[in-house]
Amino acid sequence: GAGVSQSPSNKVTEKGKDVELRCDPISGHTALYWYRQSLGQGLEFLIYFQGNSAPDKSGLPSDRFSAERTGGSVSTLTIQRTQQEDSAVYLCASSLVGGRPGSYNEQFFGPGTRLTVL
Amino acid sequence: AQSVTQPDIHITVSEGASLELRCNYSYGATPYLFWYVQSPGQGLQLLLKYFSGDTLVQGIKGFEAEFKRSQSSFNLRKPSVHWSDAAEYFCAVGGGYKLSFGAGTTVTVRA
Repeated sequence: GAGVSQSPSNKVTEKGKDVELRCDPISGHTALYWYRQSLGQGLEFLIYFQGNSAPDKSGLPSDRFSAERTGGSVSTLTIQRTQQEDSAVYLCASSLVGGRPGSYNEQFFGPGTRLTVL
Repeated sequence: AQSVTQPDIHITVSEGASLELRCNYSYGATPYLFWYVQSPGQGLQLLLKYFSGDTLVQGIKGFEAEFKRSQSSFNLRKPSVHWSDAAEYFCAVGGGYKLSFGAGTTVTVRA
């Protein structure tokens, strides 16, 4: 079946502009995650959605970052007033259900959106 | 706090030679450990995972990893690399839904 899809694949924007990144999870997956991958660094957790529960936003780096998930499916990550340090690859992942402490559900990753802020 | 260290930023290996990628972790309880591979322009693909039991785990594409609690390590190995193994490899640790990733090791395969 179809995997996680993300759009756009590449986004170039000017400093100060707002951007929206989209993620379509695997159908039926209730958990959705956003990560940021900066050059030379590992993946940084940003936010986690599980069903209708309140999302875990603890990884969002500043209040310029926000995300929503409509209808329990598609998610949009919004970055307002972009800065050059926001340049990175933004990866989305989904899993059948969210993990609980002591358990894990495999996360399936999309190809990412490469964001370049000039 | 959980964290992962991958000491090698870049490794070059000849096709047909063996490969070992190092991973050290810090985790407060029994860790869930993972290795992912990322080919250019692709998302991350899970190679293998360790939850409990046998400390030598087999994964896809001929990879294996060994969990050593005493050394807090989870090193990835492949006996004979193929040109298609050129990619970036990430070790991760976690439990529940939060994963912590290492910075990655880029593997170059020379003919």
